[in-house]
Amino acid sequence: DIQMTQSPSTLSASVGDKVTITCRASQTISNYLAWYQQKPGKAPKLLIYKASSLESGVPSRFSGSGSGTEFTLTISSLQSDDFGTYYCQQYFTYLLTFGGGTKVDIK
Amino acid sequence: EVQLVESGGGLVKPGESLRLSCAASGFTFRTYAMNWVRQAPGKGLEWVSSINFSSSDIYYADSVRGRFTISRDNAKNSLYLQMNSLRAEDTAIYYCARLSGNWESDHWGQGTLVTVSS
Repeated sequence: DIQMTQSPSTLSASVGDKVTITCRASQTISNYLAWYQQKPGKAPKLLIYKASSLESGVPSRFSGSGSGTEFTLTISSLQSDDFGTYYCQQYFTYLLTFGGGTKVDIK
Repeated sequence: EVQLVESGGGLVKPGESLRLSCAASGFTFRTYAMNWVRQAPGKGLEWVSSINFSSSDIYYADSVRGRFTISRDNAKNSLYLQMNSLRAEDTAIYYCARLSGNWESDHWGQGTLVTVSS
């Protein structure tokens, strides 16, 4: 199975900061990578698909980049509503796998 | 509006069975692949199983293969997960989610809690 490793596992940032989360795949996954945001007690929400495509309705401060084995999710200017846990997921193979998550706190 | 509503969760003992259901509405269910994803208390997301639109292609995580069975009824707009030989480590919130054409999960239900405990 393809392993997905996220870093950092937690981060604390201030409103207005630029935030970057990294996701690494154990083997190449082309650009078959999605990013999700999950708030406490809620279902995950799709933010980015195909590594860099913004899901409809998602604010443009979110962006994704990368291909192969290394990917990033960037929040250009952190807002108070952006707290939560962010997960990457590969779908290069039909045996889907998620990263361990990155918890984002607002200072 | 796309809606996915899970049901069937509850408290069961180790070794027992449970069947989860997911009622879909707001989209043409028979044309979409679907999957189940779970989340143990305080832990991350774990993909469980996927099924394509026609049920001809089915996939399972190693942790549930041989114990869980995914199925769908397109006439009833419903997705199911039959869970047998349940273990304590199967305790989790189980989400059903729609798979887009690229196989990312673009819509999720609210989840149903399964607790396996003696």
